[in-house]
Amino acid sequence: DVKVTQSSRYLVKRTGEKVFLECVQDMDHENMFWYRQDPGLGLRLIYFSYDVKMKEKGDIPEGYSVSREKKERFSLILESASTNQTSMYLCASSRDTGYEQYFGPGTRLTVT
Amino acid sequence: GEDVEQSLFLSVREGDSSVINCTYTDSSSTYLYWYKQEPGAGLQLLTYIFSNMDMKQDQRLTVLLNKKDKHLSLRIADTQTGDSAIYFCAETGDSNYQLIWGAGTKLIIKP
Repeated sequence: DVKVTQSSRYLVKRTGEKVFLECVQDMDHENMFWYRQDPGLGLRLIYFSYDVKMKEKGDIPEGYSVSREKKERFSLILESASTNQTSMYLCASSRDTGYEQYFGPGTRLTVT
Repeated sequence: GEDVEQSLFLSVREGDSSVINCTYTDSSSTYLYWYKQEPGAGLQLLTYIFSNMDMKQDQRLTVLLNKKDKHLSLRIADTQTGDSAIYFCAETGDSNYQLIWGAGTKLIIKP
């Protein structure tokens, strides 16, 4: 079974803090993704990575950065958290282009 | 641009069939997916269909694809309380990496 894990299920941070969200997959997948999920908006892609050290901006990259130093790990960084970044963050991985994505359980981030 | 549309809510009685609909714009999609998200959890793949198929059945689930109308549906027979979830439709689109996602349909089961 593919397993995608995320470092925290719930996180509360203050405005202006630097926030790290970590994601690890154990199936040697090439592609990894970070989404945010907000009610009524579905999933919006923040960044994705198709190889180690390679990344591409998604639909809403502003205010976020990512890091992929190892194939199994993909980190999402909020350089200076703001209240409008309060959301559910979902990490996913996929074997190859166009294949199904496997999701982690999500991190619910609250920025106060 | 590419777009996938779903209604936000569907309410059905326990034991009835649920039909969740999705329309998409990109006719070059190779795969179309249905994902399920239970409360407080991540998304899990429920089923998928290749674009050259019209129908796929898997136990209580039936997926119908109308390529001409760019319409995808998920039918859940004998809907149970455990089927309460948000159901997302997604397509591969013309991107090599991304899936194009619908906003999700929340399925509400009435006793």
